[in-house]
Amino acid sequence: DQQVKQNSPSLSVQEGRISILNCDYTNSMFDYFLWYKKYPAEGPTFLISISSIKDKNEDGRFTVFLNKSAKHLSLHIVPSQPGDSAVYFCAGQLPLGAGSYQLTFGKGTKLSVIP
Amino acid sequence: EPEVTQTPSHQVTQMGQEVILRCVPISNHLYFYWYRQILGQKVEFLVSFYNNEISEKSEIFDDQFSVERPDGSNFTLKIRSTKLEDSAMYFCASRATRSSYNSPLHFGNGTRLTVT
Repeated sequence: DQQVKQNSPSLSVQEGRISILNCDYTNSMFDYFLWYKKYPAEGPTFLISISSIKDKNEDGRFTVFLNKSAKHLSLHIVPSQPGDSAVYFCAGQLPLGAGSYQLTFGKGTKLSVIP
Repeated sequence: EPEVTQTPSHQVTQMGQEVILRCVPISNHLYFYWYRQILGQKVEFLVSFYNNEISEKSEIFDDQFSVERPDGSNFTLKIRSTKLEDSAMYFCASRATRSSYNSPLHFGNGTRLTVT
């Protein structure tokens, strides 16, 4: 049951160019989306998020776009830097009721930024 | 910046043995989680814990699993009788509030569990 899908397992981008990581979801009840970045031998670290009522959130070089009708979100990194090379996980937050929430992650996309 | 710490970083155990994975969440956080990632697969939710009891658990978290907060700082995951398919990276996470809205999950670096 893949409620959050990251269909590209890997992506290579030249330094200085834009990286676009895509994520699709099936559960329309997700109310919040997050992107996490993971380096080898480390845990995921929070990168950027977006509420389901917005269509764009920007933080420095990172911008997340949400298209609710298409159930699609994307993470744009511009300009890409070698230090951005990592696995990027998309996650959707599902309200379970009574103040409970659950995060569902995608399988991740490995980004390689080539110097 | 405060961190979630996990020990050990790598645990090797024989099938059928009990293992305890340890975590020290960020000190002012109230909500604690265990996730796991089987090699090549997605990060999967196991269990959430608040106020000394389990809040939610997934289908993966069966009777072989248990969690405990034995003191004011540690949060442990016990697997009573390990199976080969329990081999995975186990991540502990914590956050200050129940939702991600203003408090994203902070993850530890994980414990790689290898069951032989």
